[in-house]
Amino acid sequence: ETGVTQSPTHLIKTRGQQVTLRCSSQSGHNTVSWYQQALGQGPQFIFQYYREEENGRGNFPPRFSGLQFPNYSSELNVNALELDDSALYLCASSSQGEWISEKLFFGSGTQLSVL
Amino acid sequence: GESVGLHLPTLSVQEGDNSIINCAYSNSASDYFIWYKQESGKGPQFIIDIRSNMDKRQGQRVTVLLNKTVKHLSLQIAATQPGDSAVYFCAETLTGGFKTIFGAGTRLFVKA
Repeated sequence: ETGVTQSPTHLIKTRGQQVTLRCSSQSGHNTVSWYQQALGQGPQFIFQYYREEENGRGNFPPRFSGLQFPNYSSELNVNALELDDSALYLCASSSQGEWISEKLFFGSGTQLSVL
Repeated sequence: GESVGLHLPTLSVQEGDNSIINCAYSNSASDYFIWYKQESGKGPQFIIDIRSNMDKRQGQRVTVLLNKTVKHLSLQIAATQPGDSAVYFCAETLTGGFKTIFGAGTRLFVKA
């Protein structure tokens, strides 16, 4: 069974730039959720994708966007980067459909630093 | 990897002792609760879960207690080991919902 993998592991950008983070979900999982984790805090829900559609969104501005592909992998895009976007970005996969599981399986994250 | 939880509440226990980590959850409508463990440089890892129709659930060396009246969760770790040192998060969600809400986390430090 392949776990959740994220790339890159670390990234440094400057204010105003755009970034794309990638995630491959765990084998057998059809749902991907993205979380932002600032230093010293718990993960904050950004959005979830199921069947290539956004299935729910947290309190993040539209410059945070995503995609899910037919193989269930996903991308998180952030435009017009701000200093406060510096955080660990976590991808989590789970299952929905005939068998719903709220249990999340996380990747190791992408550490984004905005200078 | 990057360390998380540098400013979190910390619980320090002696190896072999029992640990109790507490959490207050926010939404009285939540019906599914999970404890996650996060080690430095890694994403959160599932430990144990409990549904709202239960008040206690046991796993291997871990027990979760749920008190819906006061919206309180606790995680008990028996015979704590150095490998248990990590940040622990409680999380809540609704069955079939899309959003899992995480608490602020507690850092557990196990002294050998």
